[in-house]
Amino acid sequence: QQQVKQSPQSLIVQKGGISIINCAYENTAFDYFPWYQQFPGKGPALLIAIRPDVSEKKEGRFTISFNKSAKQFSLHIMDSQPGDSATYFCAAASEKLVFGKGTKLTVNP
Amino acid sequence: KAGVTQTPRYLIKTRGQQVTLSCSPISGHRSVSWYQQTPGQGLQFLFEYFSETQRNKGNFPGRFSGRQFSNSRSEMNVSTLELGDSALYLCASSDVGVVNEKLFFGSGTQLSVL
Repeated sequence: QQQVKQSPQSLIVQKGGISIINCAYENTAFDYFPWYQQFPGKGPALLIAIRPDVSEKKEGRFTISFNKSAKQFSLHIMDSQPGDSATYFCAAASEKLVFGKGTKLTVNP
Repeated sequence: KAGVTQTPRYLIKTRGQQVTLSCSPISGHRSVSWYQQTPGQGLQFLFEYFSETQRNKGNFPGRFSGRQFSNSRSEMNVSTLELGDSALYLCASSDVGVVNEKLFFGSGTQLSVL
């Protein structure tokens, strides 16, 4: 019940395309859903986060879509750029923060 | 403001030894969390400290311990190292009172156990 399932494991997108990463959870006690971005040799950095009372949150080219009834949420990266190439982690928090296994995104120029 | 600082950056130990990792949070941050990152298991929560008190603990054996000092700096200790303890150990700090929100991660300590 503490798991967060993330897909796909890896994703290749052309520059200017849309990158979509999906996550699903079981524990209805989760009340905070952040996305982190990690570059090689660095720690994860908070990208964007959402609470379950909101269905969508947008910050620049990054959008979280949240479906409470389906217990799913996703990250959309619009106009993907080579600089977006990184590993992305979804997470869900109640008293602990549980991470998905990550998606390695490659944006080709 | 300086970011979260973790030392050392790399560490090589042998089985059975113990190790201490250090974390200096962002100035003013009172919450410090520790995570283990491995290719197979991903990011796993170890423990979280707030004002020198452990508020939460993950599912790791007692060989993993931590503490936080009055200046919010934190250390984690792993005793009787096993090969499976090889991982990137990440420290994160937060200034938000609500646990697990707006974490700022350091670059980690890469521990190799031989």
